[in-house]
Amino acid sequence: EDQVTQSPEALRLQEGESSSLNCSYTVSGLRGLFWYRQDPGKGPEFLFTLYSAGEEKEKERLKATLTKKESFLHITAPKPEDSATYLCAVQAVSETGNQFYFGTGTSLTVIP
Amino acid sequence: SQTIHQWPATLVQPVGSPLSLECTVEGTSNPNLYWYRQAAGRGLQLLFYSVGIGQISSEVPQNLSASRPQDRQFILSSKKLLLSDSGFYLCAWSEGFYQPQHFGDGTRLSIL
Repeated sequence: EDQVTQSPEALRLQEGESSSLNCSYTVSGLRGLFWYRQDPGKGPEFLFTLYSAGEEKEKERLKATLTKKESFLHITAPKPEDSATYLCAVQAVSETGNQFYFGTGTSLTVIP
Repeated sequence: SQTIHQWPATLVQPVGSPLSLECTVEGTSNPNLYWYRQAAGRGLQLLFYSVGIGQISSEVPQNLSASRPQDRQFILSSKKLLLSDSGFYLCAWSEGFYQPQHFGDGTRLSIL
């Protein structure tokens, strides 16, 4: 059973065309939801942490929001340099201890 | 500032050979350290994490082992590699649980 599901798998946008990426999760005991950006052949780069429903974080053209079952990464007026894979991860606590789950990512391509 | 180093960047090994991947962190003390494997089309899978010297938690049964001989050094090893060990291995650190993880640039391991 997937604990973290990201959609869409791939997204192509024209430069300046705003959109949103979705991350839904089924874990209980959420302790944090994290967004990362990953460029080809590189390790993920941390973007945002969200800890509670209703929380929002913003950085340049990116804005992350969190509800009780999902998170959105909003990209406003994207530029070609925003092209990358965006990963969502959750950390949770269960009876067996700390849990770490990553989604498979959304591959974003921004066309000039 | 904190930095994380991972080497080698690329490695080609024959089946049955041993493995040693090293990761070091600078600019922080007593970090949590993590080893992940990323397979094509799949999310990052946590293999091991460590909260201190000599303390290793294994997340999945496998052909690999991890050690933490020094505070900021994390080593991933295998005595005999399998074809299924191929993948992209990433090391990460965080200040604690529920804190953002910061990744190295990974090692691309190919088993022949």
